[in-house]
Amino acid sequence: KAGVTQTPRYLIKTRGQQVTLSCSPISGHRSVSWYQQTPGQGLQFLFEYFSETQRNKGNFPGRFSGRQFSNSRSEMNVSTLELGDSALYLCASSLTPQIGDTEAFFGQGTRLTVV
Amino acid sequence: DAKTTQPPSMDCAEGRAANLPCNHSTISGNEYVYWYRQIHSQGPQYIIHGLKNNETNEMASLIITEDRKSSTLILPHATLRDTAVYYCIVRVGFNTGNQFYFGTGTSLTVIP
Repeated sequence: KAGVTQTPRYLIKTRGQQVTLSCSPISGHRSVSWYQQTPGQGLQFLFEYFSETQRNKGNFPGRFSGRQFSNSRSEMNVSTLELGDSALYLCASSLTPQIGDTEAFFGQGTRLTVV
Repeated sequence: DAKTTQPPSMDCAEGRAANLPCNHSTISGNEYVYWYRQIHSQGPQYIIHGLKNNETNEMASLIITEDRKSSTLILPHATLRDTAVYYCIVRVGFNTGNQFYFGTGTSLTVIP
C-alpha cells in the first residue's frame, strides 16, 4: 500500500513569505504528526492531529499552524518565513494516537529553504 | 526536550552484531521505547518498539532492562545498508495526544 506522501519535496521561499506543506497519510490512518528537523536542533515535534482536531502542540511560535481534513490529509502553514525556518519538515501517520498502539510511518519530508 | 541519551557515534564490522545503547532513566510507567533510523535525511524508518518485555522482529531485537531505565537495540548481522542515524525515542502519551521526544541519535557506521 502507498506510504505517507508529502508534497512538495523541495521548496525555496523568500523571507517574509508564507508556505503551505501537505501530507497524505497512509490509507486508514487517522493520526498525523508534524516534525521539524534542523542540523542544530535535530528532530522537534510541531503538532499532532486526530479526527481534524489538534491534540498536542510543540514549542513553536504561532507562525506555525496546521489543520487536518475529513479525509485525514493534513497541511501545515508557516507565515512570515524566517531564515531559521529552513529545515526538513516531516510528517508521520499512524492508525490512532494511542501510545503503543502501532508504529508511526514517516514520509520523505519537504525540504524548505528560506532565502 | 529529549528524554533519552545515546552515544553520538559507533562503528560495527559488517556481519557482526551491532548493539546500540540508550538511557531513558526518567521513563514513566506508561511510556514506550521506540527505535527509528534515518538514512541520508530521508524520513525516519520504524525499527521496533516495546514497553517492558524484550521484543524481536525481522529487523532487530530490543532488550529493555528490568527497571526500564535503559535499553539496547541489537542488529544481529549488520550490513553496509544499516549505516544510519539511530534514534531511541520515548513516546509520551497524554489523554489529549502524544508525541515523540527525539534525542540526538547514534550515528552507526558499518565497516566492510
